[in-house]
Amino acid sequence: AQKITQTQPGMFVQEKEAVTLDCTYDTSDPSYGLFWYKQPSSGEMIFLIYQGSYDQQNATEGRYSLNFQKARKSANLVISASQLGDSAMYFCAMREELTQGGSEKLVFGKGTKLTVNP
Amino acid sequence: EAQVTQNPRYLITVTGKKLTVTCSQNMNHEYMSWYRQDPGLGLRQIYYSMNVEVTDKGDVPEGYKVSRKEKRNFPLILESPSPNQTSLYFCASSLRAGPYEQYFGPGTRLTVT
Repeated sequence: AQKITQTQPGMFVQEKEAVTLDCTYDTSDPSYGLFWYKQPSSGEMIFLIYQGSYDQQNATEGRYSLNFQKARKSANLVISASQLGDSAMYFCAMREELTQGGSEKLVFGKGTKLTVNP
Repeated sequence: EAQVTQNPRYLITVTGKKLTVTCSQNMNHEYMSWYRQDPGLGLRQIYYSMNVEVTDKGDVPEGYKVSRKEKRNFPLILESPSPNQTSLYFCASSLRAGPYEQYFGPGTRLTVT
């Protein structure tokens, strides 16, 4: 079973509108974290936002917010007021602690390609 | 400037010819990692290192080796490359394991013929 599922291969949004990119995850560990990264067509990976499993409030970073629903195991990225420069691939990733205070690995989803239309 | 560097950026090689992709970070990060990115598959972790002399397998380690003799360097070694290792490779580092963002290198595009 996939650890991180991004069900939307592609999404379209009009400039200035908000868009939600879906991410569901699968883990039985109580301690974990979710990241979102952006990959523009130029190829670099850009960190956007992080949510820890024990964080009480949803993470926000400027126009990015994370809709974290722990019981549903979802961590959707919300981009408000979309801009043309938001057109990119977006990846959700989960960090898993393999041993308490020790080894940790990261698992990425397959990504969602967002296109912002003018 | 804080950064992760990878070399080479592009490489075309033949099956079976050993190669090394270097990765270096100047941020004194403890955690380093290698990923491969393939169309439709996202990024998959090959190997990671929690600190010097501590490395462990990710999800797709077959055909790869790594070493972490110094904190700043984390080379990826392909002893006998095969065409199915044609991919885009990223090295990344973070302060340590935990809620810390990964800083990614620019990527290495490898083609094995």
